[in-house]
Amino acid sequence: GENVEQHPSTLSVQEGDSAVIKCTYSDSASNYFPWYKQELGKRPQLIIDIRSNVGEKKDQRIAVTLNKTAKHFSLHITETQPEDSAVYFCAASIRNQGGKLIFGQGTELSVKP
Amino acid sequence: DAGITQSPRHKVTETGTPVTLRCHQTENHRYMYWYRQDPGHGLRLIHYSYGVKDTDKGEVSDGYSVSRSKTEDFLLTLESATSSQTSVYFCAISEDRINQPQHFGDGTRLSIL
Repeated sequence: GENVEQHPSTLSVQEGDSAVIKCTYSDSASNYFPWYKQELGKRPQLIIDIRSNVGEKKDQRIAVTLNKTAKHFSLHITETQPEDSAVYFCAASIRNQGGKLIFGQGTELSVKP
Repeated sequence: DAGITQSPRHKVTETGTPVTLRCHQTENHRYMYWYRQDPGHGLRLIHYSYGVKDTDKGEVSDGYSVSRSKTEDFLLTLESATSSQTSVYFCAISEDRINQPQHFGDGTRLSIL
């Protein structure tokens, strides 16, 4: 079945710097890749997603890139702010499997003022 | 935010007792999912539903059963709770189309002593 690996598990940056989180997936049939942000004690919230027919997507300070050949996708956060501190999860969904998501293990991002 | 209500929000119970968690949605979405979240494992799919009375297993379904008798309600049952089922449980919903985002409820923190 599908497997999603996420790196790094923890990431510490200075305010204003960029942060990059990378995920790899195993099933080439995966075609939808969302990213979620989860603050402590809260629910995961969708921040951006990308579909397999697109190579890059941006939303203000957040961007996601997808390399289907290498089977990896990345989250890029520019001009980081303390409120970006949270755990970020990537996920992959396989076509024709009811929209099931397989999640990575999570990255704890800490943005230091 | 998507109209998803999980109940109860917190529960403490003893090993061997039955437990039922409820997920209620007001969005009339077709797909509903149950995940568990444990440190180091991210979010893992337990069961999901693609319509009334239509359910299927996820990655970690052993020891769990589900039922969906109405579009708006998806129940997760632990027939005989074990300490290994201590976790935070999240319900999620998504629309009736492929590759649509999943939106999560606020979670249920379940402790089994």
